[in-house]
Amino acid sequence: NAGVTQTPKFRILKIGQSMTLQCTQDMNHNYMYWYRQDPGMGLKLIYYSVGAGITDKGEVPNGYNVSRSTTEDFPLRLELAAPSQTSVYFCASSTGTDNHEQYFGPGTRLTVT
Amino acid sequence: LAKTTQPISMDSYEGQEVNITCSHNNIATNDYITWYQQFPSQGPRFIIQGYKTKVTNEVASLFIPADRKSSTLSLPRVSLSDTAVYYCLAYNQGGKLIFGQGTELSVKP
Repeated sequence: NAGVTQTPKFRILKIGQSMTLQCTQDMNHNYMYWYRQDPGMGLKLIYYSVGAGITDKGEVPNGYNVSRSTTEDFPLRLELAAPSQTSVYFCASSTGTDNHEQYFGPGTRLTVT
Repeated sequence: LAKTTQPISMDSYEGQEVNITCSHNNIATNDYITWYQQFPSQGPRFIIQGYKTKVTNEVASLFIPADRKSSTLSLPRVSLSDTAVYYCLAYNQGGKLIFGQGTELSVKP
């Protein structure tokens, strides 16, 4: 199993550009999550999904959108990139409510200038 | 508003036991508290989770008092490779996941 994979590893965006961060898991997990981690800070939940077709907002959803058309994929969309979105983005997955063991991807480092 | 609070940093020496406490008010009454470890430039890695009292696995113990207003991660006999940031994670009353701000543990020889 590859676990949780994220692409790209690094990206530089100009203000106002848009992009999609990809996340795929091959563990057949129902739950998937997107976090952002600013330098020297903890993780903040952006969006999460409890299964295909179901998504919900986390702590910091503004400026982002998600979709979950399959169990495996959970892409994160930035529509109008802003410097405040410069961060490292982590995707994670878990089996469900009775087990919070989340498996994290390697992260995407995004810089918006 | 639920919030988790941890010490920003801790120092220890190899072979010592390290206890990191996370304070969490207004968390969900019926859900697990979880701890993660993170090395630089990597995603967090699950360590342990518990609901109440004490849980032990091969790497750590987790102590949760009856009021669940805090939890303590205990790392026995730390080594240099345990130098990392440790996060507690809980659900707030609204069902949203809240990460603590993390405790940077530095283990010295």
